[in-house]
Amino acid sequence: DQQVKQNSPSLSVQEGRISILNCDYTNSMFDYFLWYKKYPAEGPTFLISISSIKDKNEDGRFTVFLNKSAKHLSLHIVPSQPGDSAVYFCAASANSNYQLIWGAGTKLIIKP
Amino acid sequence: KAGVTQTPRYLIKTRGQQVTLSCSPISGHRSVSWYQQTPGQGLQFLFEYFSETQRNKGNFPGRFSGRQFSNSRSEMNVSTLELGDSALYLCASSLGFNGGSQPQHFGDGTRLSIL
Repeated sequence: DQQVKQNSPSLSVQEGRISILNCDYTNSMFDYFLWYKKYPAEGPTFLISISSIKDKNEDGRFTVFLNKSAKHLSLHIVPSQPGDSAVYFCAASANSNYQLIWGAGTKLIIKP
Repeated sequence: KAGVTQTPRYLIKTRGQQVTLSCSPISGHRSVSWYQQTPGQGLQFLFEYFSETQRNKGNFPGRFSGRQFSNSRSEMNVSTLELGDSALYLCASSLGFNGGSQPQHFGDGTRLSIL
């Protein structure tokens, strides 16, 4: 039972264009969502988060959008840079339970 | 500030053996979580410790166990190793126990291979 789904295993985007990574969830109790980035042979690095009381959070080139009615969130990277090539994980939690539930990840490839 | 340190980085074991992995959190962090990552899978939550107490446990068999020491360092033990235990084991630390809203800081993992 996958409560957090990243349906695209990989995504290829031209350098300078927008990258949009998607994540769907099924548990309506989730109230906090996070995106992590992972390079090969390294642990995941926290990127950006959003609380369920918001529908948008922005940090530099990274913006996360949350659509609670659709149980969908997305990460936008503008403009995409070669260093953005990595695996991106979304994760969610319900405040009543610390446990983070993770998606399977999307491998983003930025083409020069 | 030193990050999360996991040792060893790589480990090769055979079926039936046991293994202990170590994690030193960021100084001042009291919460340590362990995850298993296999190809094509997200991070599967193993357990979380806070102040030497296991606060949360994932759906793994009892062969997987852990503990946390008074200095917040944590160890994870897997007994009677199986081929399917081959994975990257990640440790993450955070400041405290505050739901999922506290970003976790990850180590680079221990790559465990079972022959």
